[in-house]
Amino acid sequence: IAGITQAPTSQILAAGRRMTLRCTQDMRHNAMYWYRQDLGLGLRLIHYSNTAGTTGKGEVPDGYSVSRANTDDFPLTLASAVPSQTSVYFCASSRDKVDTQYFGPGTRLTVL
Amino acid sequence: GQNIDQPTEMTATEGAIVQINCTYQTSGFNGLFWYQQHAGEAPTFLSYNVLDGLEEKGRFSSFLSRSKGYSYLLLKELQMKDSASYLCAVLDSNYQLIWGAGTKLIIKP
Repeated sequence: IAGITQAPTSQILAAGRRMTLRCTQDMRHNAMYWYRQDLGLGLRLIHYSNTAGTTGKGEVPDGYSVSRANTDDFPLTLASAVPSQTSVYFCASSRDKVDTQYFGPGTRLTVL
Repeated sequence: GQNIDQPTEMTATEGAIVQINCTYQTSGFNGLFWYQQHAGEAPTFLSYNVLDGLEEKGRFSSFLSRSKGYSYLLLKELQMKDSASYLCAVLDSNYQLIWGAGTKLIIKP
């Protein structure tokens, strides 16, 4: 079944630990995105990739890094987690940067 | 700065019609999207407008006025399953989506 998968579904993490959130799509979309969603705020873009091998910074990139080694995968890494990174993280993809974005099911991350 | 405004919460009755407004101020405009998000789930695409006017898709319609920086989502024949948050987002000059905080729609029987 075509779509986007994210792992893990949820995670509780101690502050200072390193964590990688995984995102995989099988739609052969060129562009992929990472957002965080916090109560009362709109989705905020963390990082994006318009095509494999390239990445860019969004609105709130500090404390996060990404890589795009191939078309399908777009992992998000928190090098040293802090409580303010507690959020729901959504990965999305689109055919290219002007097209409709489709979202994965999300990862609920709690940093204590 | 860039800004998307939409009401925080609206209440409507099953079977009725509701209009959710969205105003925006962004650096450039490459289209406006509406998404639906049920509690605890991912946003799902509803509609896209890039030219002025009304786009109709079943019970849902979306309107855009670029000169006024304004859009609305119209939901007809409301059903209980339409209880959700509705997110307005604008694709800016850098091809990044700028999101509103969402409108929580509560449907009462």
